[in-house]
Amino acid sequence: GAVVSQHPSWVICKSGTSVKIECRSLDFQATTMFWYRQFPKQSLMLMATSNEGSKATYEQGVEKDKFLINHASLTLSTLTVTSAHPEDSSFYICSTAGQGVHTQYFGPGTRLTVL
Amino acid sequence: DAKTTQPTSMDCAEGRAANLPCNHSTISGNEYVYWYRQIHSQGPQYIIHGLKNNETNEMASLIITEDRKSSTLILPHATLRDTAVYYCIVNSGGSNYKLTFGKGTLLTVNP
Repeated sequence: GAVVSQHPSWVICKSGTSVKIECRSLDFQATTMFWYRQFPKQSLMLMATSNEGSKATYEQGVEKDKFLINHASLTLSTLTVTSAHPEDSSFYICSTAGQGVHTQYFGPGTRLTVL
Repeated sequence: DAKTTQPTSMDCAEGRAANLPCNHSTISGNEYVYWYRQIHSQGPQYIIHGLKNNETNEMASLIITEDRKSSTLILPHATLRDTAVYYCIVNSGGSNYKLTFGKGTLLTVNP
């Protein structure tokens, strides 16, 4: 399957700062990327769907001005958590999908802790 | 997408086959059955998917009943590294279709 990387794997930041998480599709042209978050002992929740070159589509309840998503190329998408607060502390995971591909391939996740 | 029902947890002895059931009684004709798993603190890993026929790959086998209302994921020789949460997901497939993760089944493989 496709290889997906995320950077950083973990980050600790102060409340009020912004954090950028990168998701790279290393061997696959990802026309679509998905961003999920997972709180402790809960399942993955989809935050947004982004298609290369287009604006992201956010799930209900996810603030688009707080979670900025950029998908400028077929191999890179970024998620920026702006003005992070402790309640944004979570495990953020991206996945990739391509045209005609039935499966999504997931990154290893980024653990965000906001103090 | 059709809803799925899975047992909350299962145990399996190392070296034995692990059979994980999933009910998807409202599945529609164009919906696939996908299985993913998530090892603790890692991103989910794709295992297998199928539409109507049984499928097998290097990781597992997927058995889908004739009426497609349920399926079973089979790990033929479970190892300790197979301990994970296993998610059964039904959707239409394709790159723009979202995956909705339920609670899954926590499979614990015991030595």
